[in-house]
Order: sequence, then structure tokens, then C-alpha cells
Amino acid sequence: AQKVTQAQTEISVVEKEDVTLDCVYETRDTTYYLFWYKQPPSGELVFLIRRNSFDEQNEISGRYSWNFQKSTSSFNFTITASQVVDSAVYFCALSDIQGAQKLVFGQGTRLTINP
Amino acid sequence: NAGVTQTPKFRILKIGQSMTLQCTQDMNHNYMYWYRQDPGMGLKLIYYSVGAGITDKGEVPNGYNVSRSTTEDFPLRLELAAPSQTSVYFCASNPKTGSRQPQHFGDGTRLSIL
Repeated sequence: AQKVTQAQTEISVVEKEDVTLDCVYETRDTTYYLFWYKQPPSGELVFLIRRNSFDEQNEISGRYSWNFQKSTSSFNFTITASQVVDSAVYFCALSDIQGAQKLVFGQGTRLTINP
Repeated sequence: NAGVTQTPKFRILKIGQSMTLQCTQDMNHNYMYWYRQDPGMGLKLIYYSVGAGITDKGEVPNGYNVSRSTTEDFPLRLELAAPSQTSVYFCASNPKTGSRQPQHFGDGTRLSIL
């Protein structure tokens, strides 16, 4: 069975600090997708990134970066120079590629950026 | 292009009542899904469909029913509402296997059972 663990329930930092959100996953599939979603206080789910299991290149998008390490089954998310607008709940998720692509979510990390 | 549309956005039900949560997508996606999000938790899959006329159970299907008579619509039915079904419900759609596009989520339906 697939499983996603986000061990950090809540994180609180001061604005402009860097913060890393951890994600560890379990799957028997040899190919799979990994995702990060943001859920702001308004409640909608905002897609941030999807990675294929066969592409271990790290990715950077502005202040966001993702570190995928297959050897440790981790897909961590770093926000550099955090801003108050980054305050949200962040979810890591996993799906298969060849099947119905059902998402398995972690429990989420609530990130609070204090001014 | 509306994407995935869910109605209603909010609803309060009494125990034992029934209702249907509507979900429509206008992107001609094959795959559709219903997830529920309990307070402080991640989303869990209720039911999914890989095409019109085909549905299957997810992780938490008890107390729900679905149908998929068209590609566009994937309604979720609660027959006998229970307090444990108080949650936020998200509908999502996906183009097909191997697509480069991620799952598209609706804005959610917040349901309270009192």
C-alpha cells in the first residue's frame, strides 16, 4: 500500500527565514508521481509541483525548491526567504502513473509565517 | 473554461437526511475522483471513476454512492447522513494515463451534519 508521512504537524517561523517541509513516502510501484499542494486559509487546493519517480533532478521555482531523493524515499520542499503569504497548510501526495492516478495524501504541515 | 465545478459550496444537514453533491468538469477528462478532508487531516479518496459507466471504491467509501452516466458529471450521494460525514468534500479530474497535466480540483463543498 502507498503511504505518505509528513512528520511536521505545525511549523512557525519569522518572515524571511528559510523553512523546509519534510515528506517521506512508501510505495511498491517502480514508477510514480510525487506532488506538493498548498491549501491557503480560503480552503482551495493549489497545485505546486509534480515530479516523476525517474526524474531525480531538484527543481527550483522562484523562492520554492524541491529535493527528491529516491534512496531515502523523500521529497522535501523548501521555501527561501519566507513571506506572510506563504502561511498555509502544505500537503505532499503520491500517485501511480499507469493506473487511475489516485492521490494518497500526507496529513499536511501547517506553516505559519509571522511578520 | 470553468474547470471543475462543485455545488453547493456549503450545506448543513440533519442526521438521517440525504443529499447529492454535484461535480461537473468541462475539460473532457476521463478520470474523476471524490475526496474528503476531515479537520486537521489530509484528503482521503472516497470513490473514483475512470470513465463513463465505470466507478470504483476508494479508501473510505462507506455511507456514499456515486454514478458516472456522462464524462462531465460525477455526483456523490449521501443516503443517511451521519455526524461522521461532517467534512470538506473535494472533487477532482484528470485527463488520462500519462498526461502531463496534474489533477484539477474543485473548490470544495463544506458539509456539516447536525
